[in-house]
Amino acid sequence: AQKVTQAQTEISVVEKEDVTLDCVYETRDTTYYLFWYKQPPSGELVFLIRRNSFDEQNEISGRYSWNFQKSTSSFNFTITASQVVDSAVYFCALSAYSGGGADGLTFGKGTHLIIQP
Amino acid sequence: DTGVSQDPRHKITKRGQNVTFRCDPISEHNRLYWYRQTLGQGPEFLTYFQNEAQLEKSRLLSDRFSAERPKGSFSTLEIQRTEQGDSAMYLCASSPGQGRTGELFFGEGSRLTVL
Repeated sequence: AQKVTQAQTEISVVEKEDVTLDCVYETRDTTYYLFWYKQPPSGELVFLIRRNSFDEQNEISGRYSWNFQKSTSSFNFTITASQVVDSAVYFCALSAYSGGGADGLTFGKGTHLIIQP
Repeated sequence: DTGVSQDPRHKITKRGQNVTFRCDPISEHNRLYWYRQTLGQGPEFLTYFQNEAQLEKSRLLSDRFSAERPKGSFSTLEIQRTEQGDSAMYLCASSPGQGRTGELFFGEGSRLTVL
């Protein structure tokens, strides 16, 4: 069975602060994918990143960075110099890697990030 | 607008009634997914289509739920004999397929309230 745990239910920071969202996962699969999605107040989920289990390189995209550590089964997400527009619910997700890549995603419960001006 | 569209956006029904939701995916996407999301929770996978074939169904999808994707284009999700526990946001997503696994494009959802 797969499980994704996002222990932080809500985080509130002041604009321009850095913030890290934690994600811990459980899976029996040896190969899998990890994801982050953003759900802004408008409600539509937006894909941010996919990482496969073969690749533990950290990734940076602008103010966003992701730290994947297989040894601790974690895939944490850091926003540097946060902005009010970053306010949203962020979901970490996991899927098995089945070659065809058709498996449904298992989402965590999400972290509600509030950026105060 | 060429995103995923869902209809209706809101549906209020009485317990025991049937409801149907429609999803129009991004036209060039051959994969289509249905998820359910309740307040304070992440989306839960319900079912998945590749073209017109329904390839995967979650245990969450009881026999009161049925999904179709005729001709591999739009999809419908029907819930028969609705129960109060069915109240949720029903999300549809489409995906371009291989090489972009898990990169789902979500619609705005259809919110169901069962009284």
